[in-house]
Amino acid sequence: DSGVTQTPKHLITATGQRVTLRCSPRSGDLSVYWYQQSLDQGLQFLIQYYNGEERAKGNILERFSAQQFPDLHSELNLSSLELGDSALYFCASSVGVTGVLSTQYFGPGTRLTVL
Amino acid sequence: EDQVTQSPEALRLQEGESSSLNCSYTVSGLRGLFWYRQDPGKGPEFLFTLYSAGEEKEKERLKATLTKKESFLHITAPKPEDSATYLCAIKETSGSRLTFGEGTQLTVNP
Repeated sequence: DSGVTQTPKHLITATGQRVTLRCSPRSGDLSVYWYQQSLDQGLQFLIQYYNGEERAKGNILERFSAQQFPDLHSELNLSSLELGDSALYFCASSVGVTGVLSTQYFGPGTRLTVL
Repeated sequence: EDQVTQSPEALRLQEGESSSLNCSYTVSGLRGLFWYRQDPGKGPEFLFTLYSAGEEKEKERLKATLTKKESFLHITAPKPEDSATYLCAIKETSGSRLTFGEGTQLTVNP
């Protein structure tokens, strides 16, 4: 158990809908990362927050957005869902952003199925 | 653009048969190379971080090494419970994101 929690574990929804994925980082970790893992693309970085501020962005679609709250939990919002958004979504957290403090620990993931 | 290539894609071993997994990378400036283990439907589990060429780290039956162009994950006398996908990732000097390879799916038969 990494100490990172994600809810829900599974989510089944329809095209065009909007969903919110939630992540609680390990106690003491300030940085949160979101990754998408699909069968044909492997693990892809989406976005990073550090202590409430957006720090880095990957190939995140405009339909997707995220935020990190004052209690450091993070939410990833996915809207206007398409079939191709079906994937495993992982959250990771780290203490800091440099050296050994930047080691990322992953949560168990949320499996999103868009029908 | 940062690139990570892992080989082989899949590896099947008999229990006790040692082998190595390869991770080759292209990056402008390496800030760290990471190895993770992932079981089906689960999140990646952190194994090692290597920072500079020549560095080695060990944990039980696993040993990771790093050169300027690639990293190896050596598995000595593997057991069936070592069956998993092993992921390699790099972090480059200008950011915090990890760039992952496609992984090596290891199966160890009893």
